[in-house]
Order: sequence, then structure tokens, then C-alpha cells
Amino acid sequence: EDQVTQSPEALRLQEGESSSLNCSYTVSGLRGLFWYRQDPGKGPEFLFTLYSAGEEKEKERLKATLTKKESFLHITAPKPEDSATYLCAVKETSGSRLTFGEGTQLTVNP
Amino acid sequence: KAGVTQTPRYLIKTRGQQVTLSCSPISGHRSVSWYQQTPGQGLQFLFEYFSETQRNKGNFPGRFSGRQFSNSRSEMNVSTLELGDSALYLCASSWVTGPQETQYFGPGTRLLVL
Repeated sequence: EDQVTQSPEALRLQEGESSSLNCSYTVSGLRGLFWYRQDPGKGPEFLFTLYSAGEEKEKERLKATLTKKESFLHITAPKPEDSATYLCAVKETSGSRLTFGEGTQLTVNP
Repeated sequence: KAGVTQTPRYLIKTRGQQVTLSCSPISGHRSVSWYQQTPGQGLQFLFEYFSETQRNKGNFPGRFSGRQFSNSRSEMNVSTLELGDSALYLCASSWVTGPQETQYFGPGTRLLVL
């Protein structure tokens, strides 16, 4: 059974203080690892899909990386508007569902 | 391009009633998935439809059902509502080109069961 574990559960940063969020996963065969951002009361906003170990993708202050067992979401010089819950999910090669982690709630203080 | 739309956005029902939620995917997307999000369980997969066929189903009771129409719009139905069905119901539409895939979520329908 696919499993996704995200850490930490919550993270408080000062504006400009860079950090990383972790997503560890267990899947029989990885089709893709997805990162989303979710603001309170809203649907998840798509950020990245990573497909193979060694792959990296960037978007503004965010950079996602992938290994065979985990993915990192690096946040460089965050701003208060980056405050949100960041969700990681995996899709296996033989399936069509996303299995989500519990998320990391990020708060960036000005 | 318009995003995934869901209606209604908010709904209040009482136990024992039934409810139907609607989802319109992004134009051109043929796959629609439904998820339930609660504080205790997080995001849980309900089912996926592709070209009007249910392709995959999550571990939910038979009270939860869905369908997809020829224009890719999808509905999900929950019968005999229970208090525990209170949740944010999210619809997602997928775009797949070769090995590349993106899955976009709608804003959700917030269901409260009293």
C-alpha cells in the first residue's frame, strides 16, 4: 500500500529564512510525485510533478527535488504570502489515484 | 482557460438526506477524480472517471457514488448522509501527455451534515 509521510507537521519561519519540507514515500512503482499548496478553505493549487530520481523543478521561491525515497520542497527567502499548507502526493504506475500526505503547515512571519 | 468548477460551494444537510455535487473539469480534460478532505483523515480518494467509465474506486461505502457525462462533467452522490460525511469534497481534472501529468483541483464543496 502506498504511504506518504510529510515532515515537519508545522513550520514557522521568519521572512527571508530559507528552509526545506520533507516528503517520504513508499510506492511499488512511482508514476509521479505531486506537490500542492493549499490555502485555508480552498482547493489545492498544483505546483509540480516530479517523475524520476534526480529530477528538480523550480517556481519562483520554490524548488522541488526527488530521490528514490523522498522529495524535498526548498523554500528560498520566503515571504508571508508563502504561508499555506504544502501537500505531497504520489501516484503509482499501475493506479490512477493520488495518495496524499498529511501536509506541512507553513507560517512565514514578517 | 477556465479552471475546475464545483457547485454548490457550500451545503448544509441533515442526517439521512442525500446530496449531489457537481464538477466541471478544465476544457479538454477527460479524467475527473473526487477526494474527501477532513481534518482527521486528510485527503482521501473517492473515485476516478475517464470517458464516462469509473476507472478506480477508493475505500468508501456504497453510499458514495458518482458518474460522468459525455461532456466530461461529473457528479457525485452521497445517500443516507451521516455526521461523519461532513467534509470538503474536492474534484480534480487531469491532463496527461505521454509521461507528463498534471492534476488540477477545484475549489471544493463544503458539506456540513447536521
